[in-house]
Amino acid sequence: AQKVTQAQTEISVVEKEDVTLDCVYETRDTTYYLFWYKQPPSGELVFLIRRNSFDEQNEISGRYSWNFQKSTSSFNFTITASQVVDSAVYFCALSEDKAGGTSYGKLTFGQGTILTVHP
Amino acid sequence: DTEVTQTPKHLVMGMTNKKSLKCEQHMGHRAMYWYKQKAKKPPELMFVYSYEKLSINESVPSRFSPECPNSSLLNLHLHALQPEDSALYLCASSQDWLGIQETQYFGPGTRLLVL
Repeated sequence: AQKVTQAQTEISVVEKEDVTLDCVYETRDTTYYLFWYKQPPSGELVFLIRRNSFDEQNEISGRYSWNFQKSTSSFNFTITASQVVDSAVYFCALSEDKAGGTSYGKLTFGQGTILTVHP
Repeated sequence: DTEVTQTPKHLVMGMTNKKSLKCEQHMGHRAMYWYKQKAKKPPELMFVYSYEKLSINESVPSRFSPECPNSSLLNLHLHALQPEDSALYLCASSQDWLGIQETQYFGPGTRLLVL
């Protein structure tokens, strides 16, 4: 069975600090997909990134960067120079490939990390 | 344009009421999902529709009845709910679900309170 662990329940930082959100996953499948979503207080889950298991390249998008390491089954998310608007719950999620997995179209979410950025 | 809309934004209903939640997407996606999210918890999958047919029902009680009238619309009919059903109900859609796992795009949700 697949599992996603976000060990940090809550993180509090001051604006302009860098912050890293950890995500560790477990899966028996060789092909899988990892996602990060942001959920602000309004409730909508906002898609941030999708990464395939066969693509270990790290990615940077503005102040956001992601470090994918298959060797440690981790997909960590770093926000550089955090801002108050980054305050939200962040979810890491895993999905297995339909052809090889036993679950179809299902996202396994971590428990989420509540990030609070103080002015 | 990655937009999924949901109505209403808020809903208060009694345990004997019948109500419906609505979800709409115009991205040409052929898979649509209903999730339930309790406070401080991750979303839990309820139903998946693929090409307008119910593909996954995660053992959801029959007081929740999904409907997919066409490829753009998804409804969730509610009847005789319990107070513990109070939650945020999220709709999502994705493209080409029958192939590789595509990204699910979520709507803003409906906050439901059952009295």
